[in-house]
Amino acid sequence: NAGVTQTPKFQVLKTGQSMTLQCAQDMNHEYMSWYRQDPGMGLRLIHYSVGAGITDQGEVPNGYNVSRSTTEDFPLRLLSAAPSQTSVYFCASSPLVTDTQYFGPGTRLTVL
Amino acid sequence: GQQLNQSPQSMFIQEGEDVSMNCTSSSIFNTWLWYKQDPGEGPVLLIALYKAGELTSNGRLTAQFGITRKDSFLNISASIPSDVGIYFCAGQPYSNTGNQFYFGTGTSLTVIP
Repeated sequence: NAGVTQTPKFQVLKTGQSMTLQCAQDMNHEYMSWYRQDPGMGLRLIHYSVGAGITDQGEVPNGYNVSRSTTEDFPLRLLSAAPSQTSVYFCASSPLVTDTQYFGPGTRLTVL
Repeated sequence: GQQLNQSPQSMFIQEGEDVSMNCTSSSIFNTWLWYKQDPGEGPVLLIALYKAGELTSNGRLTAQFGITRKDSFLNISASIPSDVGIYFCAGQPYSNTGNQFYFGTGTSLTVIP
């Protein structure tokens, strides 16, 4: 198993550009989530999904969209990038909502 | 959102010393997790705790779910250089209706050989 994979590993955007961060898992996990990590603030939940076709907002959802068309994939879309979205983004998955989560290696995003 | 207070924020210790860190919340938690993050990597689960008073070990690591259900502790015995990294606590509140785990701000550990 590859576990949780994320692409790209690094990305630089200009303000106003859009992009999609990819996340995939091959463990048949139902629960997937996106976090952002900023210095001194730990990880904060952006969006999550409890299964294909079901998504919900986390703590900091503004400026981000998600969809879950398959169990394996959970892409995160930035509609119009802003400098405040400069961060490290982690995708995670778990078998069930209450299970411990497994994290991907992260995407480091810089918005100029 | 839920606030988890993790302390200390950073630690500098000599190789071979023991380490203690803790995490407290303002409300009761159902689950406490401890993760370690190496530079440039995602967090990796170290220990998971599911009931009050539970004490669980993973090699040189020991973690406890506090009796009040509002805190948790992680101890590392006989530290070695590869223990360097950032340690995060995470938890799921008892009143959780959002299927969400909350994370502490991390403890940065430096081990001096």
